Amino acid sequence: DSGVTQTPKHLITATGQRVTLRCSPRSGDLSVYWYQQSLDQGLQFLIQYYNGEERAKGNILERFSAQQFPDLHSELNLSSLELGDSALYFCASSVDPFSYNSPLHFGNGTRLTVT
Amino acid sequence: GENVEQHPSTLSVQEGDSAVIKCTYSDSASNYFPWYKQELGKRPQLIIDIRSNVGEKKDQRIAVTLNKTAKHFSLHITETQPEDSAVYFCAASIVGGSQGNLIFGKGTKLSVKP
Repeated sequence: DSGVTQTPKHLITATGQRVTLRCSPRSGDLSVYWYQQSLDQGLQFLIQYYNGEERAKGNILERFSAQQFPDLHSELNLSSLELGDSALYFCASSVDPFSYNSPLHFGNGTRLTVT
Repeated sequence: GENVEQHPSTLSVQEGDSAVIKCTYSDSASNYFPWYKQELGKRPQLIIDIRSNVGEKKDQRIAVTLNKTAKHFSLHITETQPEDSAVYFCAASIVGGSQGNLIFGKGTKLSVKP
């Protein structure tokens, strides 16, 4: 168990809908990352937060947004869902992203299916 | 931004043989290169990493080499076993910069045949 908790494990929804994915980082970790894993695209970096502030953005669509709350948990909001958004969404956390001794620890992911 | 290319996309070896997976990166400022193993239906897990001031690192049957000049790094697995079958991802990042996020390659599916 990595200590990173993601809920829900599975989510099935229809096109056009909006969903929220939740992530609780490991105790003591300040940084949270979101990755999307589709069959052909590997692990695509979406967005990173550090101690409540956005630090880096990757290939995140405008329909997607995220935030990190004062208790350090994070939520990824996906709206106007399309079939192509179906994927496994991973959250990862690290203590200090600016240190060598701070590897990323991944949660078990949320599998999103858009029908 | 950083771009990481990984080859091959699939690799099949006989048990006991060695496996080599290669990655190249584009940003010369990258200085941290971890490798993750993802078994089917599970989360990626760190198996080994290397910093830019080191040319090679070993951990039992696993080793990683880094060539900063050529901007490529490789994962070597010796004496492969069926339990090594998984998808392996290389990644690169800039430690000490303002972000620290990892950029991953697209993965290599390794199959070890008994």
